[in-house]
Amino acid sequence: EVQLVESGGGLVQPGRSLRLSCAASGFTFDDYAMHWVRQAPGKGLEWVSGISWNSGSIGYADSVKGRFTISRDNAKTSLYLQMSGLRAEDMALYYCAKATSAYCSSKSCPYDYWGQGTLVTVSS
Amino acid sequence: DIQMTQSPSTLSASVGDRVTISCRASQSISNWLAWYQQKPGKAPKLLIDKASSLKSGVPSRFSGSGSGTDFTLSISSLQPDDFATYYCQQYSTYSPWAFGQGTKVEIK
Repeated sequence: EVQLVESGGGLVQPGRSLRLSCAASGFTFDDYAMHWVRQAPGKGLEWVSGISWNSGSIGYADSVKGRFTISRDNAKTSLYLQMSGLRAEDMALYYCAKATSAYCSSKSCPYDYWGQGTLVTVSS
Repeated sequence: DIQMTQSPSTLSASVGDRVTISCRASQSISNWLAWYQQKPGKAPKLLIDKASSLKSGVPSRFSGSGSGTDFTLSISSLQPDDFATYYCQQYSTYSPWAFGQGTKVEIK
């Protein structure tokens, strides 16, 4: 059974940093690109970032470029999102999502598995 | 940037109804379109990709059609489990608005 379990969310002040993690199991992790997608409370879905199977290709939404860094550790079957310079508009539920292909990273892709999300609240 | 526009935003229907949701892209995306179902408090579920390819385990009452700029998600006979919000997603190229704004299917 595929499982994606996010962690690391919480309350953070504007301008501060936070690191999200996603522990993956139940599939061959290094065969697939992995992404982060967020959803602000009561709003729609927004693609945040993606990374190819071997970290060779990475993409970011314009809204987070230069502030967020995606990475993965295939040995630990884990995905990460380092977020810095957080803003009120970054407040959202952050989902880890498994792409249906190995290479799709610079844009959103179809996602066949999602985690339950981890909530990031940005407030002073 | 490509924008995705779904209509309607809200749809009221009864069990057994045929339901159609539209998704329009601001420029051609070929068939690089996916549909998701999301229930309150849950993650989205992939129903269809490549505009019309039904994913394994998804009931056959769901179908997708279209190419270029105009796409449709249809539910042939609405079931109680289908009341949810549906999103289209283009994956042709990067856009800040890869996902449509969503269509909420409510009980009439």
